[in-house]
Amino acid sequence: QITLRESGLTLVKPTQTLTLTCTFSGFSLNTNGVAVGWIRQPPGKALEWLAVIYWDDDKRYSPSLRNRLTITKDASKNQVVLTMTNMDPVDTGTYYCASEHVAVASDAFDVWGQGTTVTVPS
Amino acid sequence: SYELTQPLSVSVALGQTATIACEGDNIEVKNVHWYQQRPDQAPLLVIYRDNNRPSGIPERFSGSNSGNTATLTISRAQAGDEADYYCQVWDSSIRVFGGGTKVTVL
Repeated sequence: QITLRESGLTLVKPTQTLTLTCTFSGFSLNTNGVAVGWIRQPPGKALEWLAVIYWDDDKRYSPSLRNRLTITKDASKNQVVLTMTNMDPVDTGTYYCASEHVAVASDAFDVWGQGTTVTVPS
Repeated sequence: SYELTQPLSVSVALGQTATIACEGDNIEVKNVHWYQQRPDQAPLLVIYRDNNRPSGIPERFSGSNSGNTATLTISRAQAGDEADYYCQVWDSSIRVFGGGTKVTVL
Protein backbone atom coordinates (compact mmCIF):
# COMPACT_ATOMS: atom_id res chain seq x y z
CA GLN A 1 0.00 0.00 0.00
CA ILE A 2 1.38 3.37 -1.03
CA THR A 3 1.08 6.25 1.41
CA LEU A 4 2.48 9.78 1.49
CA ARG A 5 2.44 12.26 4.36
CA GLU A 6 3.37 15.92 4.36
CA SER A 7 4.98 17.58 7.35
CA GLY A 8 6.53 20.92 8.23
CA LEU A 9 5.82 24.21 9.93
CA THR A 10 2.27 25.34 9.31
CA LEU A 11 2.75 29.00 10.22
CA VAL A 12 5.40 30.90 8.30
CA LYS A 13 6.08 34.63 8.50
CA PRO A 14 6.35 36.78 5.37
CA THR A 15 9.81 36.66 3.75
CA GLN A 16 10.69 33.45 5.59
CA THR A 17 11.47 30.14 3.90
CA LEU A 18 8.99 27.28 3.95
CA THR A 19 10.36 23.76 4.28
CA LEU A 20 8.04 20.80 3.73
CA THR A 21 8.87 17.12 3.91
CA CYS A 22 7.03 14.35 2.13
CA THR A 23 7.56 10.96 3.77
CA PHE A 24 6.34 8.04 1.74
CA SER A 25 6.07 4.27 1.95
CA GLY A 26 5.14 1.43 -0.37
CA PHE A 27 7.50 2.38 -3.17
CA SER A 28 11.11 3.41 -3.79
CA LEU A 29 12.32 6.61 -5.38
CA ASN A 30 15.25 4.57 -6.70
CA THR A 31 12.94 2.73 -9.08
CA ASN A 32 12.93 3.65 -12.77
CA GLY A 33 9.80 5.60 -13.72
CA VAL A 34 8.93 6.85 -10.24
CA ALA A 35 8.56 10.49 -9.25
CA VAL A 36 7.21 12.61 -6.41
CA GLY A 37 5.62 15.99 -6.95
CA TRP A 38 4.24 18.90 -4.95
CA ILE A 39 0.94 20.61 -5.61
CA ARG A 40 -0.73 23.41 -3.66
CA GLN A 41 -4.22 24.79 -3.35
CA PRO A 42 -5.09 28.23 -1.98
CA PRO A 43 -8.33 28.32 0.04
CA GLY A 44 -11.29 27.93 -2.30
CA LYS A 45 -9.11 27.88 -5.40
CA ALA A 46 -7.74 25.44 -7.94
CA LEU A 47 -4.83 23.06 -7.74
CA GLU A 48 -1.45 24.47 -8.75
CA TRP A 49 1.50 22.27 -9.64
CA LEU A 50 4.79 23.31 -8.04
CA ALA A 51 7.59 20.83 -8.68
CA VAL A 52 8.50 17.20 -9.35
CA ILE A 53 11.60 15.09 -8.77
CA TYR A 54 12.34 11.86 -10.60
CA TRP A 55 14.07 8.65 -9.59
CA ASP A 56 17.18 9.76 -11.51
CA ASP A 57 17.24 13.13 -9.63
CA ASP A 58 15.91 15.05 -12.61
CA LYS A 59 13.83 17.99 -11.41
CA ARG A 60 11.16 20.21 -12.94
CA TYR A 61 9.64 23.40 -11.56
CA SER A 62 6.64 25.59 -12.21
CA PRO A 63 7.93 28.38 -14.45
CA SER A 64 6.17 31.03 -12.37
CA LEU A 65 7.79 29.88 -9.10
CA ARG A 66 11.05 28.44 -10.36
CA ASN A 67 13.27 31.02 -8.69
CA ARG A 68 11.72 30.35 -5.27
CA LEU A 69 11.55 26.56 -5.22
CA THR A 70 14.01 23.77 -4.53
CA ILE A 71 13.09 20.09 -4.50
CA THR A 72 15.42 17.38 -3.22
CA LYS A 73 15.15 13.72 -2.33
CA ASP A 74 16.65 11.30 0.13
CA ALA A 75 15.68 7.95 -1.30
CA SER A 76 17.26 6.06 1.58
CA LYS A 77 14.90 7.83 3.99
CA ASN A 78 11.92 7.73 1.59
CA GLN A 79 11.64 11.50 1.76
CA VAL A 80 11.28 14.42 -0.61
CA VAL A 81 11.81 17.97 0.62
CA LEU A 82 10.41 21.15 -0.91
CA THR A 83 11.66 24.58 0.06
CA MET A 84 10.00 27.81 -0.97
CA THR A 85 11.74 31.10 -0.25
CA ASN A 86 10.36 34.57 0.40
CA MET A 87 6.94 33.45 1.57
CA ASP A 88 4.01 35.82 1.13
CA PRO A 89 0.38 35.75 2.34
CA VAL A 90 -0.70 34.68 -1.18
CA ASP A 91 1.23 31.45 -0.59
CA THR A 92 -1.29 30.44 2.08
CA GLY A 93 -2.98 27.16 1.28
CA THR A 94 -2.87 23.40 1.43
CA TYR A 95 0.29 21.76 0.14
CA TYR A 96 0.13 18.20 -1.17
CA CYS A 97 2.75 15.73 -2.23
CA ALA A 98 1.85 12.97 -4.66
CA SER A 99 3.54 10.08 -6.41
CA GLU A 100 3.87 9.19 -10.06
CA HIS A 101 4.42 5.67 -11.30
CA VAL A 102 4.81 5.73 -15.06
CA ALA A 103 4.39 1.97 -15.37
CA VAL A 104 1.04 2.15 -13.55
CA ALA A 105 -0.65 5.42 -14.53
CA SER A 106 1.61 7.22 -16.98
CA ASP A 107 2.59 10.65 -15.66
CA ALA A 108 -0.52 11.07 -13.52
CA PHE A 109 -0.33 11.68 -9.78
CA ASP A 110 -1.69 8.32 -8.73
CA VAL A 111 -1.50 8.61 -4.93
CA TRP A 112 -1.76 11.80 -2.86
CA GLY A 113 -0.96 12.69 0.70
CA GLN A 114 -3.62 14.25 2.88
CA GLY A 115 -2.04 17.67 2.59
CA THR A 116 -0.72 20.15 5.09
CA THR A 117 -2.13 23.63 5.57
CA VAL A 118 0.37 26.47 5.48
CA THR A 119 -0.54 29.94 6.67
CA VAL A 120 1.40 33.10 5.97
CA PRO A 121 -0.14 35.94 7.99
CA SER A 122 -0.41 39.41 6.54
CA SER B 1 2.45 28.45 -21.37
CA TYR B 2 -0.18 25.81 -21.93
CA GLU B 3 -3.64 26.47 -20.51
CA LEU B 4 -6.56 24.23 -19.68
CA THR B 5 -10.08 25.64 -19.48
CA GLN B 6 -12.92 23.99 -17.58
CA PRO B 7 -16.47 25.17 -16.87
CA LEU B 8 -16.90 26.47 -13.35
CA SER B 9 -19.86 24.24 -12.60
CA VAL B 10 -21.94 21.39 -13.92
CA SER B 11 -25.23 20.15 -12.53
CA VAL B 12 -26.63 16.67 -13.02
CA ALA B 13 -29.78 14.96 -11.82
CA LEU B 14 -29.36 11.90 -9.66
CA GLY B 15 -28.93 8.86 -11.89
CA GLN B 16 -28.27 10.89 -15.02
CA THR B 17 -25.04 11.57 -16.93
CA ALA B 18 -22.64 14.45 -16.32
CA THR B 19 -20.02 15.57 -18.81
CA ILE B 20 -17.12 17.84 -17.90
CA ALA B 21 -15.07 19.46 -20.64
CA CYS B 22 -11.40 20.37 -20.50
CA GLU B 23 -10.27 22.57 -23.37
CA GLY B 24 -6.70 23.06 -24.51
CA ASP B 25 -4.88 23.73 -27.74
CA ASN B 26 -4.66 20.45 -29.67
CA ILE B 27 -5.15 18.61 -26.40
CA GLU B 28 -5.76 15.37 -28.26
CA VAL B 29 -1.98 14.84 -28.58
CA LYS B 30 -1.53 14.95 -24.83
CA ASN B 31 -2.30 12.47 -22.08
CA VAL B 32 -5.14 13.89 -19.99
CA HIS B 33 -5.69 12.89 -16.39
CA TRP B 34 -8.71 13.62 -14.20
CA TYR B 35 -8.93 14.04 -10.44
CA GLN B 36 -11.91 14.11 -8.10
CA GLN B 37 -11.70 16.23 -4.96
CA ARG B 38 -14.47 15.91 -2.45
CA PRO B 39 -14.87 18.68 0.15
CA ASP B 40 -11.98 18.80 2.60
CA GLN B 41 -10.28 15.80 1.02
CA ALA B 42 -7.17 15.28 -1.05
CA PRO B 43 -7.58 14.80 -4.80
CA LEU B 44 -8.14 11.28 -6.12
CA LEU B 45 -7.10 10.09 -9.57
CA VAL B 46 -10.18 8.84 -11.43
CA ILE B 47 -8.97 8.73 -15.06
CA TYR B 48 -5.43 8.61 -16.45
CA ARG B 49 -4.14 8.81 -19.99
CA ASP B 50 -7.46 9.97 -21.43
CA ASN B 51 -9.65 6.96 -20.70
CA ASN B 52 -8.07 4.58 -18.20
CA ARG B 53 -9.50 3.94 -14.75
CA PRO B 54 -7.24 3.19 -11.79
CA SER B 55 -8.10 0.17 -9.70
CA GLY B 56 -11.15 0.81 -7.54
CA ILE B 57 -12.68 3.54 -9.68
CA PRO B 58 -16.19 2.61 -10.84
CA GLU B 59 -16.90 1.97 -14.50
CA ARG B 60 -19.35 4.88 -14.33
CA PHE B 61 -16.32 7.15 -14.82
CA SER B 62 -15.00 7.37 -18.36
CA GLY B 63 -12.94 9.75 -20.44
CA SER B 64 -12.31 10.77 -24.02
CA ASN B 65 -9.98 13.15 -25.81
CA SER B 66 -10.35 14.59 -29.29
CA GLY B 67 -9.37 17.79 -31.03
CA ASN B 68 -9.19 20.60 -28.52
CA THR B 69 -11.42 19.02 -25.88
CA ALA B 70 -11.03 16.23 -23.38
CA THR B 71 -14.14 15.05 -21.59
CA LEU B 72 -14.86 13.29 -18.32
CA THR B 73 -18.20 11.49 -18.24
CA ILE B 74 -19.92 10.36 -15.07
CA SER B 75 -22.77 7.96 -15.79
CA ARG B 76 -25.59 7.19 -13.37
CA ALA B 77 -24.52 10.03 -11.12
CA GLN B 78 -24.67 9.43 -7.39
CA ALA B 79 -24.71 11.81 -4.46
CA GLY B 80 -21.15 10.77 -3.65
CA ASP B 81 -19.97 12.06 -7.03
CA GLU B 82 -20.58 15.63 -5.89
CA ALA B 83 -17.10 17.12 -5.91
CA ASP B 84 -14.63 19.30 -7.75
CA TYR B 85 -13.02 17.73 -10.81
CA TYR B 86 -9.69 18.77 -12.31
CA CYS B 87 -8.06 17.85 -15.59
CA GLN B 88 -4.29 17.79 -15.88
CA VAL B 89 -1.72 17.35 -18.64
CA TRP B 90 2.03 17.21 -19.04
CA ASP B 91 3.42 19.92 -21.30
CA SER B 92 7.12 20.42 -21.97
CA SER B 93 8.03 18.53 -18.80
CA ILE B 94 5.76 20.60 -16.57
CA ARG B 95 2.37 19.70 -15.21
CA VAL B 96 -0.66 21.87 -15.85
CA PHE B 97 -4.01 21.72 -14.06
CA GLY B 98 -7.32 23.04 -15.26
CA GLY B 99 -9.25 25.49 -13.13
CA GLY B 100 -11.61 22.83 -11.83
CA THR B 101 -15.32 22.12 -12.25
CA LYS B 102 -17.76 21.83 -9.38
CA VAL B 103 -20.24 19.03 -10.00
CA THR B 104 -23.55 19.28 -8.20
CA VAL B 105 -25.88 16.27 -8.07
CA LEU B 106 -29.49 17.41 -7.85
